[in-house]
Amino acid sequence: GAVVSQHPSRVICKSGTSVKIECRSLDFQATTMFWYRQFPKQSLMLMATSNEGSKATYEQGVEKDKFLINHASLTLSTLTVTSAHPEDSSFYICSASFNYNSPLHFGNGTRLTVT
Amino acid sequence: GQQVMQIPQYQHVQEGEDFTTYCNSSTTLSNIQWYKQRPGGHPVFLIQLVKSGEVKKQKRLTFQFGEAKKNSSLHITATQTTDVGTYFCAGCFEEGAQKLVFGQGTRLTINP
Repeated sequence: GAVVSQHPSRVICKSGTSVKIECRSLDFQATTMFWYRQFPKQSLMLMATSNEGSKATYEQGVEKDKFLINHASLTLSTLTVTSAHPEDSSFYICSASFNYNSPLHFGNGTRLTVT
Repeated sequence: GQQVMQIPQYQHVQEGEDFTTYCNSSTTLSNIQWYKQRPGGHPVFLIQLVKSGEVKKQKRLTFQFGEAKKNSSLHITATQTTDVGTYFCAGCFEEGAQKLVFGQGTRLTINP
């Protein structure tokens, strides 16, 4: 069964609004979670590393004020796309692993459409 | 920057034919992982390779890690329609780290 739960699976919002995406690790604690973005027929691009209890680490070119990450507990990380624009439309996927020796488990992803 | 190059981008085969996808990094990897993503789905872990020259098999799938730990390949023997999807390699550059850099993926389509 799923070990990482992501919600919502789909969201359509109007330009200028903010959208929050949740990523939960089920039955295990994840001090680190990862947020990826995937455009149609393209690869997964790491956006940021979410660290429990501390600030997220953003990859180069990712606006931290645009993509707010909060990892308030050992089982939950949230990604908020602020003031969304049509170019933010994409597939956002989170992932987590049991520990650094374990593979990543991905959530089902969130397909965001900004109109 | 740290990059993992993967080829080919697309591969179309007849059912029963073999399929191979290749990944290459300019710098040594700590480990490399392979994932499969079905259309509309999320990546699913297939395997992790850690040791230089490692070869692992899963039924019709054979995974190899190069001696220099800079390249890897996935070979599928006698493809079946269930093999359809995009195969990604993902390299880890730091030992003890979880951060992965994904290759561009190879999208496999199969003619039944």
